[in-house]
Amino acid sequence: SQQGEEDPQALSIQEGENATMNCSYKTSINNLQWYRQNSGRGLVHLILIRSNEREKHSGRLRVTLDTSKKSSSLLITASRAADTASYFCATVNTGTASKLTFGTGTRLQVTL
Amino acid sequence: SAVISQKPSRDICQRGTSLTIQCQVDSQVTMMFWYRQQPGQSLTLIATANQGSEATYESGFVIDKFPISRPNLTFSTLTVSNMSPEDSSIYLCSVEEGTGANVLTFGAGSRLTVL
Repeated sequence: SQQGEEDPQALSIQEGENATMNCSYKTSINNLQWYRQNSGRGLVHLILIRSNEREKHSGRLRVTLDTSKKSSSLLITASRAADTASYFCATVNTGTASKLTFGTGTRLQVTL
Repeated sequence: SAVISQKPSRDICQRGTSLTIQCQVDSQVTMMFWYRQQPGQSLTLIATANQGSEATYESGFVIDKFPISRPNLTFSTLTVSNMSPEDSSIYLCSVEEGTGANVLTFGAGSRLTVL
């Protein structure tokens, strides 16, 4: 079953702007990950945040995690046209080691 | 990270036929995962394939419809049997990175269209 619900479903911004995507989940997690998918191809891992972490940075990416609200956000700063893709959150739920459950995804369009 | 070769990249199939998707990894991995992504949807785990044992299927997926082979630590196949248009999807294989955090590396996917 789907674990994460993401919003917005679609986001269109101009190059240079920031993009924020949100993910909500339902059960206790070990960690939460974000992946990118270009044009229906394979997914690429972007960043992981553990359940005892609140914020993490990697380049232009910033991820926050609020376990009390069971939610996470992904911020992409200074977006580029090459950031156009679908972004999925995925959770490793407590007690289900080695199994990722993916959210519904956000389609990001970055225009020049 | 592991490099995964998946084929075919895409195919158009007739209703009632079966198609086997191959997944080759450039390193030995314990577990391989097969996902399905229906058009415009998220990923759903079909099964986990371990070498030397039967695959473990998720709820809603059965071995008769999605038989999986895992003959060694670098290779796996997924067969989509007796296809119908509802099986039109992208099928993705993936492996764990071995970091202990369940980070996955994915193949490029196999886009199947069933007419």
